[in-house]
Amino acid sequence: KQEVTQIPAALSVPEGENLVLNCSFTDSAIYNLQWFRQDPGKGLTSLLLIQSSQREQTSGRLNASLDKSSGRSTLYIAASQPGDSATYLCAVSDYKLSFGAGTTVTVRA
Amino acid sequence: DAGVIQSPRHEVTEMGQEVTLRCKPISGHDSLFWYRQTMMRGLELLIYFNNNVPIDDSGMPEDRFSAKMPNASFSTLKIQPSEPRDSAVYFCASRPIWGDYGYTFGSGTRLTVV
Repeated sequence: KQEVTQIPAALSVPEGENLVLNCSFTDSAIYNLQWFRQDPGKGLTSLLLIQSSQREQTSGRLNASLDKSSGRSTLYIAASQPGDSATYLCAVSDYKLSFGAGTTVTVRA
Repeated sequence: DAGVIQSPRHEVTEMGQEVTLRCKPISGHDSLFWYRQTMMRGLELLIYFNNNVPIDDSGMPEDRFSAKMPNASFSTLKIQPSEPRDSAVYFCASRPIWGDYGYTFGSGTRLTVV
């Protein structure tokens, strides 16, 4: 059974600081890895999709890396803003999507 | 495309009542997934369909839960009878079966059983 772990569980940083969110998974036989953002009481918004053959994916201030062999992914958010405050979820896909518990980020103005 | 559409957005019901949640996947997506999110257990897969056929329902908690997909554009998740511990947010997601594509989630249905 795939186990997905996200560290840290919570993170509070001042505005402008770079964010580093970590995700690890136990079974490297995955199709892809997806990072989501969830605001309180809202749904899941897809941020980045890294296919199994890729090492990283970038979108604006967001960059995610994938190391299948070690079972790790890292989401970097550059120059954080208060609007980045949310819970970030890592999910790995084999035939289904398995989620980590998330990292709750607070960016202080 | 309007994305994955779920209804209702909120549902409050009394214990013992039947609850039906609805989902319309993105057109052309032939895999559909039902997830449940709670504070204690996070996001859990309940069931998923490929081409309208249930493939894995091992996450369905008990016989009180049932799901159907009568056609490619509609799925339901039914709870009968409902219990307070069923209170959660239920998400529907879809994706194409083939190819390396991500999942698109609906906005969810927040269910409260009192």
